[in-house]
Amino acid sequence: DAGVIQSPRHEVTEMGQEVTLRCKPISGHDYLFWYRQTMMRGLELLIYFNNNVPIDDSGMPEDRFSAKMPNASFSTLKIQPSEPRDSAVYFCASSPRDEASTDTQYFGPGTRLTVL
Amino acid sequence: AQKITQTQPGMFVQEKEAVTLDCTYDTSDQSYGLFWYKQPSSGEMIFLIYQGSYDEQNATEGRYSLNFQKARKSANLVISASQLGDSAMYFCAMRDTGGFKTIFGAGTRLFVKA
Repeated sequence: DAGVIQSPRHEVTEMGQEVTLRCKPISGHDYLFWYRQTMMRGLELLIYFNNNVPIDDSGMPEDRFSAKMPNASFSTLKIQPSEPRDSAVYFCASSPRDEASTDTQYFGPGTRLTVL
Repeated sequence: AQKITQTQPGMFVQEKEAVTLDCTYDTSDQSYGLFWYKQPSSGEMIFLIYQGSYDEQNATEGRYSLNFQKARKSANLVISASQLGDSAMYFCAMRDTGGFKTIFGAGTRLFVKA
């Protein structure tokens, strides 16, 4: 089975530009998560969805960040306008609500974003 | 508030030896899950092992085992027979089973020496 797919893998953009990160979760997983990883702050949960509905976006840093999940197989994280401090690795993860209730999250390969 | 603490920024271990990576957590929840992930230099996050707060036995997955001491709020990862490919960053994480919000520790970088 294919794992979580993220695109692009690397993105370099200039300050002020709009950036869109994309994610395809594992088929059949009900939950989708967006994380940001930086050296200073480690791995932070930005937002998560259940059945395409945003459940908790308290980790979204500010209004410049938005996330959508129009269907069960696709999600986007958008930054508009981007700033140098947004430079980080952005991970998407998905999780089933499995019978064992471990609800393990499986991560995509990440998108390394550099804002100049 | 929930918190995960990994006190070892870096660890060295000789190939074929066992190593323990420490993790302590703080939560007021009675039901929660504990996870360990591996992040090699290539950057992906790889799930290793899970322990539920009500599980009476320590979790094991191949060479990985989780030393769960609930009263001490610790969930240490034990890697037996270390291999060069085990060199990576290791993250401990906790999720309350009432929701899906997961918090991660700062990580421990493991170096396996030949």
